[in-house]
Amino acid sequence: GAVVSQHPSWVICKSGTSVKIECRSLDFQATTMFWYRQFPKQSLMLMATSNEGSKATYEQGVEKDKFLINHASLTLSTLTVTSAHPEDSSFYICSASRPGGGNQPQHFGDGTRLSIL
Amino acid sequence: AQSVTQPDIHITVSEGASLELRCNYSYGATPYLFWYVQSPGQGLQLLLKYFSGDTLVQGIKGFEAEFKRSQSSFNLRKPSVHWSDAAEYFCAVVPGTGGGNKLTFGTGTQLKVEL
Repeated sequence: GAVVSQHPSWVICKSGTSVKIECRSLDFQATTMFWYRQFPKQSLMLMATSNEGSKATYEQGVEKDKFLINHASLTLSTLTVTSAHPEDSSFYICSASRPGGGNQPQHFGDGTRLSIL
Repeated sequence: AQSVTQPDIHITVSEGASLELRCNYSYGATPYLFWYVQSPGQGLQLLLKYFSGDTLVQGIKGFEAEFKRSQSSFNLRKPSVHWSDAAEYFCAVVPGTGGGNKLTFGTGTQLKVEL
């Protein structure tokens, strides 16, 4: 069964609103979670690494004030797209891995389809 | 620069035929290697992984992959493809010990299965 739950799976909203996406690890504690963005027919682009209890680490070119990440507990990370605009429309996917380093595979949520009108 | 290459953007095979999806990486040391599958509108599902040991690894859904250090490759194979295998396949890499677990993905291979 799924070990990472992502919610909502689909959201449509007006330009200028903020949208929050949740990512939960269901059966393990995840000190690190990852947020990706995927454009149609393209690969996943890592946006940021979410660290429990500390600030997220953003990849180059990703606006931290635009994409707010909060990892307040060991099982929940949230991504808030602030003042969303049509160019923010995309498929956002989170992942989490058990503690243990690089040999722990990432488990992915089912993604969130964000459409900004 | 470190990179992951999947040379084939699209592959079409007939149901029942064998399949091989190619993956090459460019890293200084042996990385941790993964194959994921993504169905349309879905997240990614882990098919298999390689860390060390036996270079032929078995995964779910009848898939296997072979790590070849001399070729810096980790190709995915399946002896007989089913129509339900049609999806996008991603090879991914973590640098290895001390590199955390940040994944670098290949560009993906879209698999179509003809009935």
